[in-house]
Amino acid sequence: DSGVTQTPKHLITATGQRVTLRCSPRSGDLSVYWYQQSLDQGLQFLIQYYNGEERAKGNILERFSAQQFPDLHSELNLSSLELGDSALYFCASSVDGTGENEQFFGPGTRLTVL
Amino acid sequence: GQNIDQPTEMTATEGAIVQINCTYQTSGFNGLFWYQQHAGEAPTFLSYNVLDGLEEKGRFSSFLSRSKGYSYLLLKELQMKDSASYLCAVRDRLTGGGNKLTFGTGTQLKVEL
Repeated sequence: DSGVTQTPKHLITATGQRVTLRCSPRSGDLSVYWYQQSLDQGLQFLIQYYNGEERAKGNILERFSAQQFPDLHSELNLSSLELGDSALYFCASSVDGTGENEQFFGPGTRLTVL
Repeated sequence: GQNIDQPTEMTATEGAIVQINCTYQTSGFNGLFWYQQHAGEAPTFLSYNVLDGLEEKGRFSSFLSRSKGYSYLLLKELQMKDSASYLCAVRDRLTGGGNKLTFGTGTQLKVEL
């Protein structure tokens, strides 16, 4: 158990819908990272937040957005969902915002878009 | 941009040694990580190299050559539970501060009796 929690574990929805994925980092960690893992793409970095502010951006679509709240939990919002958005979404946390330290991964949310 | 290459699949025998290679091209190299991922589960950290040389951690060792853009993960005394995907990840310094971790597509290792 990494100490990072993610909810829900599974999510099934329809095309065009909007969903919110939630992540709570390890106690004491200030950074949260979001990743998407699909079968053909591998693990893709989406976005990083550090202490409430966006720190780094990866291959995140405009239909997706994220935020980190004062209690340091983070939410990833996915809208206008398409079939291709079906994937495992991982959240990871680390102690600071430099990216110098190890990232600990949560168990993931499996999103299925029908 | 970045390019990370590792073999797609490897098969090895229980008790043996296996080496998983990773080559990369990057502009702001700031470290290389190896993660293990069982199917449907979260990646778990195995090792980290930022300087050239070998880092040993029990049955797992990782080597880095920055001049060659090359790393390998060495797994000794293979066990059936080592069957998993092994992800090579390169950390890049970003302009304006911070770092970004980019993962390879992973090497699926199958350990057989």
